[in-house]
Amino acid sequence: SAVISQKPSRDICQRGTSLTIQCQVDSQVTMMFWYRQQPGQSLTLIATANQGSEATYESGFVIDKFPISRPNLTFSTLTVSNMSPEDSSIYLCSVERQEGEQYFGPGTRLTVT
Amino acid sequence: AQSVTQLGSHVSVSEGALVLLRCNYSSSVPPYLFWYVQYPNQGLQLLLKYTSAATLVKGINGFEAEFKKSETSFHLTKPSAHMSDAAEYFCAVSPPYSSASKIIFGSGTRLSIRP
Repeated sequence: SAVISQKPSRDICQRGTSLTIQCQVDSQVTMMFWYRQQPGQSLTLIATANQGSEATYESGFVIDKFPISRPNLTFSTLTVSNMSPEDSSIYLCSVERQEGEQYFGPGTRLTVT
Repeated sequence: AQSVTQLGSHVSVSEGALVLLRCNYSSSVPPYLFWYVQYPNQGLQLLLKYTSAATLVKGINGFEAEFKKSETSFHLTKPSAHMSDAAEYFCAVSPPYSSASKIIFGSGTRLSIRP
């Protein structure tokens, strides 16, 4: 397994501002993943972050809105830029272990007013 | 393309009763299948996974699931529900030997337990 922490655990932000979410893993991993979980919905993959390269974004997500950093093998950040109320969601990071297993952080609950 | 369907967005059972959460998948190749649980205000936790070994998979907290290729199903069961089982459950599918970016999550089933 993996121990994953996220900061902040929750935040309330005003529209038009940006929030950076941090994800820390207790061991080195090649790929880290960022998901969005809108209220009452399932998980949607935002992007895959590899250390030393640009993140790969899924359809419907763009780097200008969700810039990601991956400075080393245990850490990543996701920024939600120019926020609107529609960005109110839980944002989760995860890492992959063997055979497709994913381990998730506790999530960051974002409310945009 | 792969997909997964969870039948029933909300299931309510009495404490001590059988828990059955339904999941059907669509995949052109034998997939990997997963069940995750999300307790309130927490991230997702892996309950169990199927990766082409035994078709009956046992997971944590007394849960198990059976892979039935003929029915394209991977239903989650537990013989006797506990109050602590109240949570959101997600079924997920991915092609074998692929990266996690190909994992597709179902819409989730909220399990409630009646005293």
